[in-house]
Amino acid sequence: ETGVTQTPRHLVMGMTNKKSLKCEQHLGHNAMYWYKQSAKKPLELMFVYSLEERVENNSVPSRFSPECPNSSHLFLHLHTLQPEDSALYLCASSQAWKGLAGHEQYFGPGTRLTVT
Amino acid sequence: KQEVTQIPAALSVPEGENLVLNCSFTDSAIYNLQWFRQDPGKGLTSLLLIQSSQREQTSGRLNASLDKSSGRSTLYIAASQPGDSATYLCAVRFYGANSKLTFGKGITLSVRP
Repeated sequence: ETGVTQTPRHLVMGMTNKKSLKCEQHLGHNAMYWYKQSAKKPLELMFVYSLEERVENNSVPSRFSPECPNSSHLFLHLHTLQPEDSALYLCASSQAWKGLAGHEQYFGPGTRLTVT
Repeated sequence: KQEVTQIPAALSVPEGENLVLNCSFTDSAIYNLQWFRQDPGKGLTSLLLIQSSQREQTSGRLNASLDKSSGRSTLYIAASQPGDSATYLCAVRFYGANSKLTFGKGITLSVRP
């Protein structure tokens, strides 16, 4: 496979469930990102990992817990979610995080999450 | 506050029409600006990346322009087709933001056959 892949593509979970979203990139990149896309709102950056170290955490509730075991894989662990957490969760990667002009991000297809 | 605005939120045009999608940003200190396409329920596909030193970029029927001083970019689509129907997102990389992108809400385009 090439590019950025995400699994599952669709997920329905109850508020008491625990689930995980997975992202994998096959581009040899060193930075990975989680975004949340809700209806009528701009994409919100949630977390950034650079060389497996978290470098950005944009005031995300603790019910979302990211994990980056290596530079190719990124997880988002979910527990005790609320209905307003229903959204499309997008993963992206870039060659690096730091850089004078930044680095282009490549996006996965997303996971459509519904919390009931 | 650094923000990106896209107006209108939706646009419907007949097939064959040339159209312009607008994007504005609040801070002219940018590294680059990127236009993405998003089909319903899908991820983002990069269309054009325009550096702050550039005035425009072209790819097929698409042309993106950048006027940094006025904080504006436009995406021009020539001879629109029903297959162009999608949401078009503008994203800006501001100075000091490393690789962070600030997105607009997008413009949902519908091209009628």
